[in-house]
Amino acid sequence: AQSVTQLDSQVPVFEEAPVELRCNYSSSVSVYLFWYVQYPNQGLQLLLKYLSGSTLVESINGFEAEFNKSQTSFHLRKPSVHISDTAEYFCAVRGFQKLVFGTGTRLLVSP
Amino acid sequence: ETGVTQSPTHLIKTRGQQVTLRCSSQSGHNTVSWYQQALGQGPQFIFQYYREEENGRGNFPPRFSGLQFPNYSSELNVNALELDDSALYLCASSYAGDTDTQYFGPGTRLTVL
Repeated sequence: AQSVTQLDSQVPVFEEAPVELRCNYSSSVSVYLFWYVQYPNQGLQLLLKYLSGSTLVESINGFEAEFNKSQTSFHLRKPSVHISDTAEYFCAVRGFQKLVFGTGTRLLVSP
Repeated sequence: ETGVTQSPTHLIKTRGQQVTLRCSSQSGHNTVSWYQQALGQGPQFIFQYYREEENGRGNFPPRFSGLQFPNYSSELNVNALELDDSALYLCASSYAGDTDTQYFGPGTRLTVL
């Protein structure tokens, strides 16, 4: 069975500071990993995904995540955050015909 | 904007009632999944439909049922509502060429009193 652990329920950070949101997974099959972002009162939007190939994947808005098989991690990073990055971030692993999500990390960016 | 719409946006029901939530996917998206997101939690998989047939189900009782229609719309039906059914219900669609990318709708927030 697949599972995802997001240890940080909330991460406060100042604008223009770097941030890392942690995600650890457990999977007994091929690992497909995803990060989704949820803005207030909205659905989920795909931020980036790892299916195969390069272990470093990037999004169009400056986020990146690195697949680390030995540490079973897929942490999300951004070198400089903006106020507009304030949202809930969910890590997910592909299961059989479904996505298995973590409990989410709320990123709070303040000026 | 994912092109996936859901209705209604909010709904209030009382315990024991039945509810139908609707989702409209993008043209060509022949797979639709429904998720339940309780407050403060990540989404939980309810079931998936492919070409109008259920082809995967999570740990939800039979009173949760669904339909998928040829026009890329779908429904989630919940009978005998319980207080714990209060949640945000999300539908997500994908097309055969990229089943690993799911497009989520904005959700329907259901409150059961």
